[in-house]
Amino acid sequence: TQLLEQSPQFLSIQEGENLTVYCNSSSVFSSLQWYRQEPGEGPVLLVTVVTGGEVKKLKRLTFQFGDARKDSSLHITAAQPGDTGLYLCAGLYTGGFKTIFGAGTRLFVKA
Amino acid sequence: DSGVTQTPKHLITATGQRVTLRCSPRSGDLSVYWYQQSLDQGLQFLIQYYNGEERAKGNILERFSAQQFPDLHSELNLSSLELGDSALYFCASSPRGNRPNTGELFFGEGSRLTVL
Repeated sequence: TQLLEQSPQFLSIQEGENLTVYCNSSSVFSSLQWYRQEPGEGPVLLVTVVTGGEVKKLKRLTFQFGDARKDSSLHITAAQPGDTGLYLCAGLYTGGFKTIFGAGTRLFVKA
Repeated sequence: DSGVTQTPKHLITATGQRVTLRCSPRSGDLSVYWYQQSLDQGLQFLIQYYNGEERAKGNILERFSAQQFPDLHSELNLSSLELGDSALYFCASSPRGNRPNTGELFFGEGSRLTVL
């Protein structure tokens, strides 16, 4: 069974704090995406990483793809209440057609 | 706005009934994916179509079926509904054909199904 494990499942922090969420698998991805989902809406694509060791930055968000392309992390600097939401990682396995999602990390940033 | 359109947004029905959910992909996208999201199971892949043909199948029940039409819109049919089928059903489309270069998906706003 192909699985994507995300940790932590839930995170509640104060505005201004930094945080990191993780996405791990025992299988190799050809690409990996991070999405953010707000209640009642569909997931919205934040970033795609395709090369082992790749680092991408999106304002206060930093995304890293593991060297072996089996894991990824999302780091948020100086979190704001607007960052509150469900963060999902998703991967396309090498040789696969379907994109598999992790269970998500639910982030709550308190003002 | 992702460009993916789903209807209806909300649907309430009774056990044993049948419903049809509709999805129009982004202009130019040939692939359509269906996902089910419930509180205890996250986003579960159901099925993928590319240019009218089924390409990949996930955890889709036999009571569920889907198709993609020549104009590329897709429908997900859910029959003999059970309480446990209550969930958000998302449609997504991808920029490439049957083998996306990067697996990026663009989601609609979902159809919330409640089975009473």
